[in-house]
Amino acid sequence: AQSVTQLDSQVPVFEEAPVELRCNYSSSVSVYLFWYVQYPNQGLQLLLKYLSGSTLVKGINGFEAEFNKSQTSFHLRKPSVHISDTAEYFCAVTLYGGSQGNLIFGKGTKLSVKP
Amino acid sequence: GAVVSQHPSWVICKSGTSVKIECRSLDFQATTMFWYRQFPKQSLMLMATSNEGSKATYEQGVEKDKFLINHASLTLSTLTVTSAHPEDSSFYICSAYPASGYLYEQYFGPGTRLTVT
Repeated sequence: AQSVTQLDSQVPVFEEAPVELRCNYSSSVSVYLFWYVQYPNQGLQLLLKYLSGSTLVKGINGFEAEFNKSQTSFHLRKPSVHISDTAEYFCAVTLYGGSQGNLIFGKGTKLSVKP
Repeated sequence: GAVVSQHPSWVICKSGTSVKIECRSLDFQATTMFWYRQFPKQSLMLMATSNEGSKATYEQGVEKDKFLINHASLTLSTLTVTSAHPEDSSFYICSAYPASGYLYEQYFGPGTRLTVT
């Protein structure tokens, strides 16, 4: 079975500072990896995904993530955050080539950007 | 881009009553929709997979008779919480992926907050 661990439930950071949100996964088979963002009272929006190829993935809003197979990690980074980045961030996996397509989510990391 | 809507966005109902939540894909057809449940400060947990024209597939531990799912068309899936109790209070989120797309291209609705009093 697959599982996702987001090590930090809350990450406070000052505006224009860099940030890293950590995600580790556990799976005996290959997976696809995702980061979603959830703004207050809104649905989930896809930030970026890793399917194959280059391990460094760039997404929307200046975010990027790096897939590290040996460490089973997929950490999300942004070099300079804005107030508008304040939201909940979810890491998720789904089976590579799976027929069901359901996502397994981490518990989320609440990013709070302060002025 | 692909848009998924949910209605209502929030609902309060009395214990013992039933409530229906709609999930619609507005600009694409979705043969498969997913229903998730999100408790405060917890992750989304998959409840069931809804397939158009067939019975839903429920995850282990989810009561089929309590959470009725109907996927009557390629753009609409409904979740009915029957005989709701306070412990059913939660945030329910649906997702869908285009019939012509890939399983990992899921688009999420804004969620429905259910409060049972």
